[in-house]
Amino acid sequence: DVVLTQSPLSLPVTLGQPASISCTSSQSLVRSDGNAHLTWFQQRPGQSPRRLIYKVSARDSGVPDRFSGSGSGTDFTLKISRVEAEDIGVYYCMQGIHWPWTFGQGTRVEIK
Amino acid sequence: QVQLVQSGAEVKKPGASVKVSCKASGYTFTDFYVHWVRQAPGQGLEWMGRIITKSGEAGYPEKFHGRVTMTRDTSITTVYMELTSLTSDDTALYYCVRDGRTWDLDQWGQGTLVTVSS
Repeated sequence: DVVLTQSPLSLPVTLGQPASISCTSSQSLVRSDGNAHLTWFQQRPGQSPRRLIYKVSARDSGVPDRFSGSGSGTDFTLKISRVEAEDIGVYYCMQGIHWPWTFGQGTRVEIK
Repeated sequence: QVQLVQSGAEVKKPGASVKVSCKASGYTFTDFYVHWVRQAPGQGLEWMGRIITKSGEAGYPEKFHGRVTMTRDTSITTVYMELTSLTSDDTALYYCVRDGRTWDLDQWGQGTLVTVSS
């Protein structure tokens, strides 16, 4: 199975400051058409996960532009340019290129 | 708008089975696959498989082979997930999730808590 390794697992942040989460895959997430597929989800406390970013860098409708995704091959990053209080929660990366689909362990973002 | 509404919480004894439903609305049901993902208390997300809503064909990871069955009823735009031979390790929130059609997931249901306890 493809292993997605997120770091850090816990991320204390200061409001208004940037934050960055890494997701490293044990196999390439590039399809035969040359496109990479890696998805980021946000899960706020007590809520279902919500998709933020798909196809590495495409932002979902309604997602603030302070969220951005980047990367290629096996290394991917989710960045928050200026953390706001509503960004608190757990962030997961996920791949759906290889069977079975797999998730990273999750990164808990909390206020310092 | 797209909605996935799941059935209510369940409490089961070890060895029993559970069947969770997921009612889809707001889009053409057979145009999108549906997946199931579970989350044990305080833990991460685990993919359980998916069903092709048009054909009814389902696929599961090896871990769940023989224990999970996903079905659908197109007449009522509902997907079902049945898990058998339950143990305490199956205590979790179970989510149905629509396929995003870009090798990912987009819309999530509200989750169904399944508790396995003697």
